[in-house]
Amino acid sequence: QKEVEQNSGPLSVPEGAIASLNCTYSDRGSQSFFWYRQYSGKSPELIMFIYSNGDKEDGRFTAQLNKASQYVSLLIRDSQPSDSATYLCAVTPPGANSKLTFGKGITLSVRP
Amino acid sequence: KAGVTQTPRYLIKTRGQQVTLSCSPISGHRSVSWYQQTPGQGLQFLFEYFSETQRNKGNFPGRFSGRQFSNSRSEMNVSTLELGDSALYLCASSQIRTGGASTEAFFGQGTRLTVV
Repeated sequence: QKEVEQNSGPLSVPEGAIASLNCTYSDRGSQSFFWYRQYSGKSPELIMFIYSNGDKEDGRFTAQLNKASQYVSLLIRDSQPSDSATYLCAVTPPGANSKLTFGKGITLSVRP
Repeated sequence: KAGVTQTPRYLIKTRGQQVTLSCSPISGHRSVSWYQQTPGQGLQFLFEYFSETQRNKGNFPGRFSGRQFSNSRSEMNVSTLELGDSALYLCASSQIRTGGASTEAFFGQGTRLTVV
């Protein structure tokens, strides 16, 4: 059973649209939730983290967490071509808050 | 503030050799974790060090080992290299909260290891 699952991509949206990236996790006790962005040939860059149920907004990014449904999402408003990258969802299991378990990632392409 | 620094950036090794990779965390970060990234398996956790002790470990064979020094810098070693060890090896550092929990992890640029 995969621990962290992300939509199979790739995802393509037009410039200015909202991109919605989804992630589910299997361990109900998971504590912390992260979204990383990875450009081709580069290392992952932390863009959002969320610890409690609900929404968390930072600029054009909103992370949403629903622990009951074991679901975390990332919304990117006003998508820009520079947002084109692979987005990785990561969670930490109970009792090992420094051990990130990653999904396989979804590639987002923003069309000018 | 300097980020996480990994050296070297690229390495080519022959099967059977061993390799040592280095990671200097962000200043003030005391936890260092190592990850392996491959196209097939994605990003996988290797191990985490805090206060010079391995605190968490992933599901990798004993050929993969690491250590942390008193200044929080860390090294990982892979012995008896196999072709399948070719990957991007990433180091991440984080702060430690009161109580021992880690904060968000920030990644270095990685070391690209090719085993031939």
